[in-house]
Amino acid sequence: DAKTTQPPSMDCAEGRAANLPCNHSTISGNEYVYWYRQIHSQGPQYIIHGLKNNETNEMASLIITEDRKSSTLILPHATLRDTAVYYCIVRVATTGNQFYFGTGTSLTVIP
Amino acid sequence: DAGVIQSPRHEVTEMGQEVTLRCKPISGHDYLFWYRQTMMRGLELLIYFNNNVPIDDSGMPEDRFSAKMPNASFSTLKIQPSEPRDSAVYFCASSLAGSNSPLHFGNGTRLTVT
Repeated sequence: DAKTTQPPSMDCAEGRAANLPCNHSTISGNEYVYWYRQIHSQGPQYIIHGLKNNETNEMASLIITEDRKSSTLILPHATLRDTAVYYCIVRVATTGNQFYFGTGTSLTVIP
Repeated sequence: DAGVIQSPRHEVTEMGQEVTLRCKPISGHDYLFWYRQTMMRGLELLIYFNNNVPIDDSGMPEDRFSAKMPNASFSTLKIQPSEPRDSAVYFCASSLAGSNSPLHFGNGTRLTVT
């Protein structure tokens, strides 16, 4: 039931910006876009979320298109520790607040 | 805040045995979720609770699986009897109400059924 589409894998050079895209063309007006990452088999770690405006925190920036049909997570200066699987999720508001995880993007940061 | 606490971190059991996984959500959170992760199926939502009441258990794979939340600070996921195909990492997560509230995950329980 995942409502998002992400590329299965990406590479990024260490120190460069990593730009991870996500399509969510069926998003509803009151649904937020969330980004998580998972390193090895640890619990998914919350990164950032947004509704319509761009957001920035100490970990990353989130750019949401004006029509809200897609977004990009930006890690400004990727490090080797950013190698992980990144999940883009739309929190379902109409059926009770579930988070459905898709297959995510496996990001490899290359030295 | 200690975050979501799960126990045990690892569980190895024999087929047919009962397994109980435990979760303590973040204090004050209204929602509690149980997920299962395998290589084949990724992260699957099993069941979630709102204010200790099960809201949607459609992801629970079989009747062998059951979950309870007797109070706001404790939940269990039980498998009886366990089977080798239940081997997976089980995550518990909690959040406040509202779609503007992030989900916070525990470190999971790695279950191996031999």
